[in-house]
Amino acid sequence: DTAVSQTPKYLVTQMGNDKSIKCEQNLGHDTMYWYKQDSKKFLKIMFSYNNKELIINETVPNRFSPKSPDKAHLNLHINSLELGDSAVYFCASSHWGGNEQFFGPGTRLTVL
Amino acid sequence: SQQGEEDPQALSIQEGENATMNCSYKTSINNLQWYRQNSGRGLVHLILIRSNEREKHSGRLRVTLDTSKKSSSLLITASRAADTASYFCATARMDSNYQLIWGAGTKLIIKP
Repeated sequence: DTAVSQTPKYLVTQMGNDKSIKCEQNLGHDTMYWYKQDSKKFLKIMFSYNNKELIINETVPNRFSPKSPDKAHLNLHINSLELGDSAVYFCASSHWGGNEQFFGPGTRLTVL
Repeated sequence: SQQGEEDPQALSIQEGENATMNCSYKTSINNLQWYRQNSGRGLVHLILIRSNEREKHSGRLRVTLDTSKKSSSLLITASRAADTASYFCATARMDSNYQLIWGAGTKLIIKP
């Protein structure tokens, strides 16, 4: 059984479009994260939710909006996509408190 | 924000040799974690060492932590081709909501 799953795995779209990435975890964790990994492999936290509450909101354009309908899901909606949004986006989850994080397989977003 | 810096950026060794990677960070921490990322995959947690611990082992992995020097090392003994991957360190701090701050990673290549 997949612990942290993301859909879609690949996303190719035109500039200006709106897209969503979904994430689900079946580990019973109370905290979920979205990361962006650029072409140089730098990993940057975007958002963190604990028990459906936004805990970390790094400097991210407000075109990015996370939504956590329940503790097991954290979705990412991106409006008006730009070329610079092209990257791999990872979802992760953990128990609260700086514990080990479990990562999804990633969504490779390409904006043309 | 990047706190950790891995050294070296890339490392290529023969199968069977030991591989050592280093990580330095800038502020006080609660714990330090090492992760592995195979090409095109999500990150996998390897080991977590708390700020009051100095050394930890897991199989062929040995991690040390020197809080006075703000540095950690990851040793992989008797390397195998399957160890080829990028290795990242990440630090967690309670006063930043346990947000993981990531290093830039070390790309390890094991030559058969």
